[in-house]
Amino acid sequence: AQKVTQAQTEISVVEKEDVTLDCVYETRDTTYYLFWYKQPPSGELVFLIRRNSFDEQNEISGRYSWNFQKSTSSFNFTITASQVVDSAVYFCALSEPYNNNDMRFGAGTRLTVKP
Amino acid sequence: DTAVSQTPKYLVTQMGNDKSIKCEQNLGHDTMYWYKQDSKKFLKIMFSYNNKELIINETVPNRFSPKSPDKAHLNLHINSLELGDSAVYFCASSQGSGRHQPGELFFGEGSRLTVL
Repeated sequence: AQKVTQAQTEISVVEKEDVTLDCVYETRDTTYYLFWYKQPPSGELVFLIRRNSFDEQNEISGRYSWNFQKSTSSFNFTITASQVVDSAVYFCALSEPYNNNDMRFGAGTRLTVKP
Repeated sequence: DTAVSQTPKYLVTQMGNDKSIKCEQNLGHDTMYWYKQDSKKFLKIMFSYNNKELIINETVPNRFSPKSPDKAHLNLHINSLELGDSAVYFCASSQGSGRHQPGELFFGEGSRLTVL
């Protein structure tokens, strides 16, 4: 079964610092999808990005960027110039289409951005 | 218009009781899920239904029984509640299953269950 590891349990930064959240995954499939979700203190789960295994292009969306490297099985997430509103738990997830799209989440990284 | 809605949002009950959580999605998705999030924020899949058919059934006690009357609804019934069942239960839906490209999950707001 697939596995997602987010080794950083908690990260604390000061506003305007850049921060990278790590995600390492394991899968036997050649076709798979990676996701990041944000869970702010209010509790809802917000979709941030989906990336398929055939597309290793990095993606940037405003202050957010993602670095997908198949060679190291990593899909890291960087927030540039962090803001207090970025404080949340961030989850990385992996879905395997040949396994009924069973989506497995990492344990999450709690990011605290201090003013 | 809420995309994925769950009721109730909060549920406090005694050990041994039976309770249900309802979930409805108006996105036209064909796959629905139940996830459990424990106090350490760990999200674990419990069940997944595609067009009313159970396709993922993780190692969950028999006291948990999902029911999908149609593809827009997925309810969760829990019998003989135990202290360890206290958690936030999230319903989610997505378009795409099986060998099709999976869409992202759209989550409900969660139902916080507290068993006393």
